[in-house]
Amino acid sequence: GAGVSQTPSNKVTEKGKYVELRCDPISGHTALYWYRQSLGQGPEFLIYFQGTGAADDSGLPNDRFFAVRPEGSVSTLKIQRTERGDSAVYLCASSLGLAGTSQYFGPGTRLTVL
Amino acid sequence: ELKVEQNPLFLSMQEGKNYTIYCNYSTTSDRLYWYRQDPGKSLESLFVLLSNGAVKQEGRLMASLDTKARLSTLHITAAVHDLSATYFCAVDIHTGANSKLTFGKGITLSVRP
Repeated sequence: GAGVSQTPSNKVTEKGKYVELRCDPISGHTALYWYRQSLGQGPEFLIYFQGTGAADDSGLPNDRFFAVRPEGSVSTLKIQRTERGDSAVYLCASSLGLAGTSQYFGPGTRLTVL
Repeated sequence: ELKVEQNPLFLSMQEGKNYTIYCNYSTTSDRLYWYRQDPGKSLESLFVLLSNGAVKQEGRLMASLDTKARLSTLHITAAVHDLSATYFCAVDIHTGANSKLTFGKGITLSVRP
């Protein structure tokens, strides 16, 4: 079946602009996660949704970052007033939301802030 | 704060030989995951280890978990070029259905003839 998809695959923006990154999880997966991966590092947790609600947003670095999942499926990560330090690959993952189940990752969106 | 350490960070392996890589973590957990990442690609799930003493094997890779030592090992048998990639371990300290993975920095494996 189809895996996790993310759009766009690449996004180049200027400092100060607003961006939206989209994630389509695997059908039937109730849990959705956003991570950020910088070069040479492991993914860093940002936020986790169970259904429509954010169960844990403790990884969002500041209030410029916000994510929604209004219907419990597709999610959008929104970044306001982008800064050069926001440049990274943003990864989305989904899972069945059961204890100990694996998270399946999408291909990522590479964000470059000039 | 949970810390996940992997070592070594880079390993050059000779084809046909056996190797072991390590993942240490700082807080009690019995949920540990191994992922593989090829250059420019996303993460592929390899193993899910959910209890002390858990052992999983797939092909030339075998992963194990010692929750008392807070250590997971990934053993590679008779390395082949296809295993060249970066391998991440990730630890989940949440209970129940909640999940929040903390990843190590990854170990980059390179298999040479």
